[in-house]
Amino acid sequence: ILNVEQSPQSLHVQEGDSTNFTCSFPSSNFYALHWYRWETAKSPEALFVMTLNGDEKKKGRISATLNTKEGYSYLYIKGSQPEDSATYLCAVPPHDKLIFGTGTRLQVFP
Amino acid sequence: DTGVSQDPRHKITKRGQNVTFRCDPISEHNRLYWYRQTLGQGPEFLTYFQNEAQLEKSRLLSDRFSAERPKGSFSTLEIQHTEQGDSAMYLCASSLITSGNEQFFGPGTRLTVL
Repeated sequence: ILNVEQSPQSLHVQEGDSTNFTCSFPSSNFYALHWYRWETAKSPEALFVMTLNGDEKKKGRISATLNTKEGYSYLYIKGSQPEDSATYLCAVPPHDKLIFGTGTRLQVFP
Repeated sequence: DTGVSQDPRHKITKRGQNVTFRCDPISEHNRLYWYRQTLGQGPEFLTYFQNEAQLEKSRLLSDRFSAERPKGSFSTLEIQHTEQGDSAMYLCASSLITSGNEQFFGPGTRLTVL
């Protein structure tokens, strides 16, 4: 059974703090890694699709890195804002479906 | 709005009742997925369609669950004889075969079984 793990489970930070969280996945037969942001009462929103070892992607204040050899990805948020409060999910696609981690729930306080 | 839509957004039902949810994918997307998310867990795969063909079903999808995509466009997910353990968020997603499995999600249907 493919196991995707995320840590921490939850995180509370002050506005302006930078933060990061981890996604761990099996390194064998790697194909891609997806990051999603899921705000309450909204649809999960795709942030990044990462495929290459050493990949770094950036979207505004959010960036992600990928290490396929050791099986982890980091998501960084620089200068967190209250609107960054959400659950951040990572997922890997064995075949045609996505296997998700349990998510990191981020709360940014003003 | 050209995103994935789901209806209803919330459903409260009594144990033993049947419920049906609908998903309208992005119009040109040929793949459609159903996931279920319970408290403290990430979304778990239930089933997916390529056009009208149901290609894979998870072991999570008991005999009480049935999904259809009759014309290769919208899909329905029916749960018969609901149980309290069916209470969850049911998410639908769609994608293009050629998109490297980049899936676009709807807002989900929150089911509460009393």
